[in-house]
Amino acid sequence: AQSVTQLGSHVSVSEGALVLLRCNYSSSVPPYLFWYVQYPNQGLQLLLKYTSAATLVKGINGFEAEFKKSETSFHLTKPSAHMSDAAEYFCAVKGDFGNEKLTFGTGTRLTIIP
Amino acid sequence: KAGVTQTPRYLIKTRGQQVTLSCSPISGHRSVSWYQQTPGQGLQFLFEYFSETQRNKGNFPGRFSGRQFSNSRSEMNVSTLELGDSALYLCASSSINDRAPGNTIYFGEGSWLTVV
Repeated sequence: AQSVTQLGSHVSVSEGALVLLRCNYSSSVPPYLFWYVQYPNQGLQLLLKYTSAATLVKGINGFEAEFKKSETSFHLTKPSAHMSDAAEYFCAVKGDFGNEKLTFGTGTRLTIIP
Repeated sequence: KAGVTQTPRYLIKTRGQQVTLSCSPISGHRSVSWYQQTPGQGLQFLFEYFSETQRNKGNFPGRFSGRQFSNSRSEMNVSTLELGDSALYLCASSSINDRAPGNTIYFGEGSWLTVV
């Protein structure tokens, strides 16, 4: 079975500071990993995904994530937080090709302090 | 290209009633999945359809069902509604591509169901 664990249900950072949202995965097969963002009263928007092509993945809105197999981690970072980054962030893992089921973490709510 | 479209966006139902939610995937996408999102349980997978066949099912009671039509549009139905069924129901679609594993899964805006 595959799973992801997001450490920290709430994270607060000052505007302009580094954003670091943590995600660790468990998978018996090479995982496909995703980060999604959810703004209030909206659906999920894909930030970035890891599909084994490169360990450092760049996404939208200045976010990036690094896949570290030795640490089973896929942490999301952004060098400088912006007020518009306030949202809930979900890490997810997908199984083998053909299995479209996403298993989500519990989410991290990011608050930006002006 | 239009995104994943879900209707209705908001609805209120009474306990014991049934509800049908609709999802139109992105054009060309043949896989449609459904998820339930609640504050207590988070995002949970309901089921996935591909070419009108259910390929995968989550751990939900039989009151939750779905189907997919030949044009890839999908519906999910919840019968005998319970208060605990109040949630955001999200539909997602993806394009199965032999040459692109880890294909992107796109989500709709969701249908907010309140059971009173």
